[in-house]
Amino acid sequence: NAGVTQTPKFQVLKTGQSMTLQCAQDMNHEYMSWYRQDPGMGLRLIHYSVGAGITDQGEVPNGYNVSRSTTEDFPLRLLSAAPSQTSVYFCASGRNTQYFGPGTRLTVL
Amino acid sequence: SQQGEEDPQALSIQEGENATMNCSYKTSINNLQWYRQNSGRGLVHLILIRSNEREKHSGRLRVTLDTSKKSSSLLITASRAADTASYFCATSGGVTDKLIFGTGTRLQVFP
Repeated sequence: NAGVTQTPKFQVLKTGQSMTLQCAQDMNHEYMSWYRQDPGMGLRLIHYSVGAGITDQGEVPNGYNVSRSTTEDFPLRLLSAAPSQTSVYFCASGRNTQYFGPGTRLTVL
Repeated sequence: SQQGEEDPQALSIQEGENATMNCSYKTSINNLQWYRQNSGRGLVHLILIRSNEREKHSGRLRVTLDTSKKSSSLLITASRAADTASYFCATSGGVTDKLIFGTGTRLQVFP
């Protein structure tokens, strides 16, 4: 039972590049979320999903896309990376109690 | 915008002392949760208190909730060096149960 896994752990992008952050869970949770964490800002919700095929926006959705084709996977896509997207990204699974992945540290140059 | 604001932003204590952190929020909630984050790691769920509960205990943790003041407190008793971490409150409300986090309290416990 791996819980929530995220790949990659670290990534450096150039401005304008695109990439996908992967998130997978093996707890059969319907509810999954993506957050970004910036220094002194706590966690801010980017997108969330209440089940396969259903996604919705959080507080800071601009510049990010998500899809939910299966219960297990919830990838986050950066369409055209910007330096303002330099952050640590966390995926979480579960509704009332959320289980967090280890995070992806992204730097955009 | 953040729903929760934690106070203090940083707290330093000696092992064995109690640590109290406070959280204030702005809108009505279904529940309030506390999470811990060790440096460079993901968050770990500590405790959940529902809007109709006033106090909850889990081991050395005690959480109170005052919905009239829109505030909560987390008390860690007999702290240990291993309790050194950042602590976040998070509120959930409405039909979507979106979790909105506060800015966190950094706790340092000196041996």
